[in-house]
Amino acid sequence: DAGVIQSPRHEVTEMGQEVTLRCKPISGHDYLFWYRQTMMRGLELLIYFNNNVPIDDSGMPEDRFSAKMPNASFSTLKIQPSEPRDSAVYFCASSKTGQGLSYEQYFGPGTRLTVT
Amino acid sequence: DQQVKQNSPSLSVQEGRISILNCDYTNSMFDYFLWYKKYPAEGPTFLISISSIKDKNEDGRFTVFLNKSAKHLSLHIVPSQPGDSAVYFCAASRNRDDKIIFGKGTRLHILP
Repeated sequence: DAGVIQSPRHEVTEMGQEVTLRCKPISGHDYLFWYRQTMMRGLELLIYFNNNVPIDDSGMPEDRFSAKMPNASFSTLKIQPSEPRDSAVYFCASSKTGQGLSYEQYFGPGTRLTVT
Repeated sequence: DQQVKQNSPSLSVQEGRISILNCDYTNSMFDYFLWYKKYPAEGPTFLISISSIKDKNEDGRFTVFLNKSAKHLSLHIVPSQPGDSAVYFCAASRNRDDKIIFGKGTRLHILP
């Protein structure tokens, strides 16, 4: 298996622009997570889906952030408009039902976002 | 509020010696604990976990110890190897069916 795939790996954009991050989970996994890593806050959960349905979005910082999962093999995280404080590494992770939500999660390589 | 705290941002250990990474948590409802390891430009990978019904779990060179009364866990790596140089994240959840809360991580440097 190719593992969790994220694109792009790096994104540099100007303040005010829309940014879309993409994720393809491991086939057969039915949980998908979006995390953000910053120096100040570490690794924080933004939102997670189960069977393509958003379950908990309490970590989404504000209305500028939105996430969708139109099917089992694709998810997007969108920031509109982007701000410099959104600069971070964004990770997507997936896991499989039956092992518990907090069982081993498989992370993608991350997207490093820089907003200037 | 950081519910999972890793108070040492970095740690340097001589190759062959023991590495001890520490983690404290504040939420007494946490029942399941994990350690993840992260190399630069890669995502975190699962390393080892422990349930609150145990106080120790061992997997090869890696052992996690849990002290529930002190709300403290530690990861021991013996012997430390150069490939162990990475960022280690401590994480916790209320149960196996709840989301994970991560700490900020500790960067481990293994010195030759």
